[in-house]
Parts: sequence; C-alpha cells; structure tokens
Amino acid sequence: DTGVSQDPRHKITKRGQNVTFRCDPISEHNRLYWYRQTLGQGPEFLTYFQNEAQLEKSRLLSDRFSAERPKGSFSTLEIQRTEQGDSAMYLCASSLVGVGVQPQHFGDGTRLSIL
Amino acid sequence: AQSVTQLDSHVSVSEGTPVLLRCNYSSSYSPSLFWYVQHPNKGLQLLLKYTSAATLVKGINGFEAEFKKSETSFHLTKPSAHMSDAAEYFCVVSGLAGGTSYGKLTFGQGTILTVHP
Repeated sequence: DTGVSQDPRHKITKRGQNVTFRCDPISEHNRLYWYRQTLGQGPEFLTYFQNEAQLEKSRLLSDRFSAERPKGSFSTLEIQRTEQGDSAMYLCASSLVGVGVQPQHFGDGTRLSIL
Repeated sequence: AQSVTQLDSHVSVSEGTPVLLRCNYSSSYSPSLFWYVQHPNKGLQLLLKYTSAATLVKGINGFEAEFKKSETSFHLTKPSAHMSDAAEYFCVVSGLAGGTSYGKLTFGQGTILTVHP
C-alpha cells in the first residue's frame, strides 16, 4: 500500500494559464474525491468518482474546472484560464465502497500558486 | 444538510498536560464523524472515526473522542500532550444521502494545537 499519490506537489503559474494535476489513489479503492483547501480553512469538497463515473460536483467547481477518471484508476483535475482565487491546496482522497461510510485516505496535495 | 463547528481556532498546552479540542456537529441523518490531523504542508491523516458503534472511540497516538448525541458533540481528547502532537486538527462529518453512502466529507474550520515544552 503506497498511499494516495499526487503530482506535482507544487505548481506556480501565471494567471490565465491552464494547469493539470494528477492523483493516483490506493489501488483497490474505487472511490476518488477532490477537495480544495485555502489558507486557514478546512478542505471543501469539489467532486467525486465511483470507478470512472463522476457522481457529484460541488457548486465550487466552475466551468473552468474539469475532472476525469478515464479508466477508474488515476484521476486528473484541470483548471483552465487560472485566476488569483484558484490559489489553494488541492487534495485528493480515495476510499473503498462498503457498508456505511468508509474513511477517506488523503494524499499530500498539490499547492497551486497563481502569480 | 450537515455542518461542523470547531469551538476553538487555537489551543495551547504544555507538554504532558491534557488536550481537549471541541467539536459540535449538525446533521439531518445519523452522522459518521471523524477527526483528521494535518501537519504543515502535508495531507490529512485519519485519527479516529465514529460510525454508530461504541460512543467512546479510540484512535491512533493516544487520542480518543466521545460521541454525545444529546449535546451534538464529538470532542477530541488526549491525556498527555507530546511535542509531536502540534498540528492542525479537523473535525469532520459525513452522512448518508438518499440511502447512498457516498461519504462526502464536511470539514470544520480547524483547530491549531500548539504544544509548549
């Protein structure tokens, strides 16, 4: 069990550029979640997948954001035309499907800084 | 709807003294509750979870939490603080929606724990 892996750990980019982050969940986990955490706040839910199906998206996920999980394994989160307000830590988590709520295991996140 | 309120944004204790981090929740359903810890520039690590079994839940690193339905509270405690406990702690609620356990987490604002030597 290598845990949830996120790449890159840090991304600095200019306003208006597109960025893409990758998340590799724990291998047997079929649920994958994306959260955003701004400075001094708790993480906020963005979206989640069960296998390759994207089952829910938060209102925080504007049309500039898109997430995919094409083969039900790794996932990507793309932000187009980045804005200053997109600066945050983007966290990925994964979990099993089971009886009741299963705990989510988090990666170390990708910190995005918009210049 | 579900929400979590962490009553203290900062808690400061001396090494070897007890830790109390307070959390109140609101949930339309029977909640599942968690405590996560986050060290600087790291992801979140699960400390413990409550899922309607025993109301006193033991977690890792000597932490425990007690679910009190009458008070809608889920406070985190530790008998004796260690320097390595210094971090940010999040109380988290997850519920069932429409009968499907999808596990969307709602986080509190966090409590920063400082441990003095």
